[in-house]
Amino acid sequence: QQPVQSPQAVILREGEDAVINCSSSKALYSVHWYRQKHGEAPVFLMILLKGGEQKGHDKISASFNEKKQQSSLYLTASQLSYSGTYFCGTRMNRDDKIIFGKGTRLHILP
Amino acid sequence: GEEVAQTPKHLVRGEGQKAKLYCAPIKGHSYVFWYQQVLKNEFKFLISFQNENVFDETGMPKERFSAKCLPNSPCSLEIQATKLEDSAVYFCASSHPDSAGGYTFGSGTRLTVV
Repeated sequence: QQPVQSPQAVILREGEDAVINCSSSKALYSVHWYRQKHGEAPVFLMILLKGGEQKGHDKISASFNEKKQQSSLYLTASQLSYSGTYFCGTRMNRDDKIIFGKGTRLHILP
Repeated sequence: GEEVAQTPKHLVRGEGQKAKLYCAPIKGHSYVFWYQQVLKNEFKFLISFQNENVFDETGMPKERFSAKCLPNSPCSLEIQATKLEDSAVYFCASSHPDSAGGYTFGSGTRLTVV
């Protein structure tokens, strides 16, 4: 039931792009993306609801393919501030708890 | 307020002692969730509340863990007779019923059992 994230870790140079994937074996109601920096609380990035959609926020965007139960997070022209661990979380229905994947560690080099 | 307030930030307990953690959700958020994050960074779901009612407690180790959300009081998570394996950061999150369920997390309580 836990979503599977890939890759586990990414190292980039500032300005490069990254894609983080999240997949589930179950039908999903929503996919959630969070970023957590070391020693801090996770910070909400975006939610994607079933129906298949794509959302964007500055240079961070995401898509949700409902047929495949897969979501991808796109980070373009990465900045140093993007470093951290990215978690996808999935919900089976509206009021259910979010189940988080194991996280993808992103490290941006200057 | 617009933040989820968790107290204390750090808690150290000897094995076998009791630990109590608090969480004040954002006003108007009717859902509260507790998660345990251990060293591998994985989030383990513990329990959720809808207002003061337990909504889902499938993640709670019931023999030692208990939680409450009472009206006009912060929610609490209590661990009786702590064990070394309870050492973790405990996060509380709240969500608004109209927000499609996105969480706002508190800053967490780091529990160290020695």
